[in-house]
Amino acid sequence: ELKVEQNPLFLSMQEGKNYTIYCNYSTTSDRLYWYRQDPGKSLESLFVLLSNGAVKQEGRLMASLDTKARLSTLHITAAVHDLSATYFCAVDGTGNQFYFGTGTSLTVIP
Amino acid sequence: DAGVIQSPRHEVTEMGQEVTLRCKPISGHDYLFWYRQTMMRGLELLIYFNNNVPIDDSGMPEDRFSAKMPNASFSTLKIQPSEPRDSAVYFCASSFSVEPQHFGDGTRLSIL
Repeated sequence: ELKVEQNPLFLSMQEGKNYTIYCNYSTTSDRLYWYRQDPGKSLESLFVLLSNGAVKQEGRLMASLDTKARLSTLHITAAVHDLSATYFCAVDGTGNQFYFGTGTSLTVIP
Repeated sequence: DAGVIQSPRHEVTEMGQEVTLRCKPISGHDYLFWYRQTMMRGLELLIYFNNNVPIDDSGMPEDRFSAKMPNASFSTLKIQPSEPRDSAVYFCASSFSVEPQHFGDGTRLSIL
């Protein structure tokens, strides 16, 4: 079974600071997804990374994929309070079956 | 687009009762997924369908759980009999091919 690990599990950061969330997975996969979940809410798709070296950016978030290292990163630039949420990475196993990471709970402190 | 629609949003029932969760996927999507989310176990894939056919149900906890997709616009997840440990948020998601999954708002299930 494909395993997906995220770290850190919990992240508390000050507004204006930068930080990176890491997502490691155990077997080869060509597709990696990042999702955001606000407390008590559903999951919202942020990024899809489809190839080695892919980089996607939206506002203060930038995601990248290194398929050789089986690693994806989600970089947060100049954090703001609105970014407080839980972030999940998900890797596509066989037949469009997603394996989700444990999630990283991000709290941005004013 | 109305998105993935789940019902009910909340369900509170006593153990031993039958629980049926419903999902309407986004029109045109060919994959449908059922997930369960708890603090202890995180987000777990229970079962998924492709073109209304169950592809992998290895995540279904036990025989008390069953899922059906009688047509492209409707799916159910049934628990019978329900137990307190089934309490969780159940999400339905749908997607087209390898595009990102779209999640419904979830059903918050409490078994007393």
